[in-house]
Amino acid sequence: EIVMTQSPATLSVSPGERATLSCRASQSVSSNLVWYHQKPGQAPRLLIYGASTRATGVPARFSGSGSGTEFTLTISSLQSEDFAVYYCQQCKTWPLTFGGGTKVEIK
Amino acid sequence: QMQLVESGGGVVQPGRSLRLSCAASGFTFSTYAMCWVRQAPGKGLEWVAFISYDGTNEYYADSVKGRFTISRDNSKNTLYLDMNSLRAEDTAVYYCARDTGVGAAVGWFDPWGQGTLVTVSS
Repeated sequence: EIVMTQSPATLSVSPGERATLSCRASQSVSSNLVWYHQKPGQAPRLLIYGASTRATGVPARFSGSGSGTEFTLTISSLQSEDFAVYYCQQCKTWPLTFGGGTKVEIK
Repeated sequence: QMQLVESGGGVVQPGRSLRLSCAASGFTFSTYAMCWVRQAPGKGLEWVAFISYDGTNEYYADSVKGRFTISRDNSKNTLYLDMNSLRAEDTAVYYCARDTGVGAAVGWFDPWGQGTLVTVSS
């Protein structure tokens, strides 16, 4: 099983600032990496697939990068609606696995 | 618009069974693979099971293999999860989600349903 590790667990950021979230895979997943975010009481929503392609309707302030084992999600200027928990997921092999999540909170 | 609505959750005793359903609308259900993902209270996401668009392929997390069965009825646009021998650690919100690939699965999911809570307790 591929283990996905996200860091930090919690990120405190002021509105308008940049946020950088990390995701590491225990073995290479190539570019088979996706990002979701989840607001309290809501279902997860797809943000990024293929490590760097924004899903339909996702604002340009969200960008993904990386390949192999190291990945980054960057939010260039945090808006109020971006404070949420972010999860990465590998879709390279079964079983599909998620990272533990990074909570982005208001500083 | 695309919509997934789960049902069937509730409180169940350890060792008992439960069936979850997920009703799909707003897209051609029979052309998309589907999955179940769960989230224990206050915890992260855990993928549970996957089924191909035509039901011929299934995959399960080790934690549920042999106890849970995923199935679908394309004539009813409905996905199911049959859960047997339930344990306290199966307590979670269960989400159904659509694979974004048409026909061939890609392994990432959108949209997701709102979830249904399963509580395993005596």
